[in-house]
Amino acid sequence: GAVVSQHPSRVICKSGTSVKIECRSLDFQATTMFWYRQFPKKSLMLMATSNEGSKATYEQGVEKDKFLINHASLTLSTLTVTSAHPEDSSFYICSARDPMNTEAFFGQGTRLTVV
Amino acid sequence: KQEVTQIPAALSVPEGENLVLNCSFTDSAIYNLQWFRQDPGKGLTSLLLIQSSQREQTSGRLNASLDKSSGRSTLYIAASQPGDSATYLCAVILREYGNKLVFGAGTILRVKS
Repeated sequence: GAVVSQHPSRVICKSGTSVKIECRSLDFQATTMFWYRQFPKKSLMLMATSNEGSKATYEQGVEKDKFLINHASLTLSTLTVTSAHPEDSSFYICSARDPMNTEAFFGQGTRLTVV
Repeated sequence: KQEVTQIPAALSVPEGENLVLNCSFTDSAIYNLQWFRQDPGKGLTSLLLIQSSQREQTSGRLNASLDKSSGRSTLYIAASQPGDSATYLCAVILREYGNKLVFGAGTILRVKS
């Protein structure tokens, strides 16, 4: 199946700093990518839909100035957690959809810890 | 608003047993449905995608069925193995919003050797 690569897999940062997470579709072009957040023992919560060449669409309750999304090319979307706080610590997962059949593929996830 | 429910929340079975995981959704106007596996601390691995016009899909020991009219899907795992232990998530794919996925909370499966 298609491959989505997410980097880094783990990151620890200090409060107040910003962290960038990359999501790449390796063997298909993704006009749309999705960013999710997962709390311990919970399912995935969609944060935003990333659209190539245009602004991201954020879900209700997600701060767009806090979680900056850039989808500069058909194979790369980035999520930047700005001015991180300990409550931002979580598991973040990106997804890209194969446009040929709507099947969604997920990255390996990024474990963010803010200290 | 589409809601997805998975039952049971957790399941523990002895190795070799056949088992069924259930997924239900409130709005039958889905585009497709997809089953995933998630290992602890990892991303999601796609297991099966069922198009809305299909009633089932099979891959190895896995068989997924879809009944849109009743809002249900099942994932059948034959001859379970300890390596099948993971969390299984189902998600409905909505045609609107760029094929957005709505996830269930998952079923935590433990297969004992």
